[in-house]
Amino acid sequence: NAGVTQTPKFQVLKTGQSMTLQCAQDMNHNSMYWYRQDPGMGLRLIYYSASEGTTDKGEVPNGYNVSRLNKREFSLRLESAAPSQTSVYFCASLGGGNQPQHFGDGTRLSIL
Amino acid sequence: AQSVSQHNHHVILSEAASLELGCNYSYGGTVNLFWYVQYPGQHLQLLLKYFSGDPLVKGIKGFEAEFIKSKFSFNLRKPSVQWSDTAEYFCAVIFAGGTSYGKLTFGQGTILTVHP
Repeated sequence: NAGVTQTPKFQVLKTGQSMTLQCAQDMNHNSMYWYRQDPGMGLRLIYYSASEGTTDKGEVPNGYNVSRLNKREFSLRLESAAPSQTSVYFCASLGGGNQPQHFGDGTRLSIL
Repeated sequence: AQSVSQHNHHVILSEAASLELGCNYSYGGTVNLFWYVQYPGQHLQLLLKYFSGDPLVKGIKGFEAEFIKSKFSFNLRKPSVQWSDTAEYFCAVIFAGGTSYGKLTFGQGTILTVHP
């Protein structure tokens, strides 16, 4: 049981390049989330998808877009990467009820 | 806007010392509360959670937390820390309501360093 799988694990981009981070879960969860983690700031929600076919902005959505391709997959796209988007990105999923979110291993993204 | 505060940025302890990490949130309604741990280079792992019932919650690895509604707090405790507890600890809250959709709001994190 893989849980939440993120690809790639590491990526270096130049300013202005585009990039899609992939996330897939095999737990049949309805809700999925993208967070970014920066030192001293905890994790902040970028976008979320409460169910297949819906997406909504979180706390820090500027510069990002998302696609809920199907129930399993939720991708995060940087159209024109900026150095301020250097961060570690975590995808998570939630099945509902009194359950915690399950997190992927993260993608470490550096933008030069 | 609702927020979560962890007042200690970096805590340094010796093995066998007792630990208490503070977490406060700003919301008078129903909350779901979590503590996550992140070991160096790894993803977040759930230590414990509170949804309802007994406000004293026991988690994995000997950790526990107490929900004090009147103080808007959910402090994490461990009686005797080990070197292997060195990690970053995050308090997280779901501000439950009609459209929470399980969204987590995280505190800033507390780095715990335990010296042998």
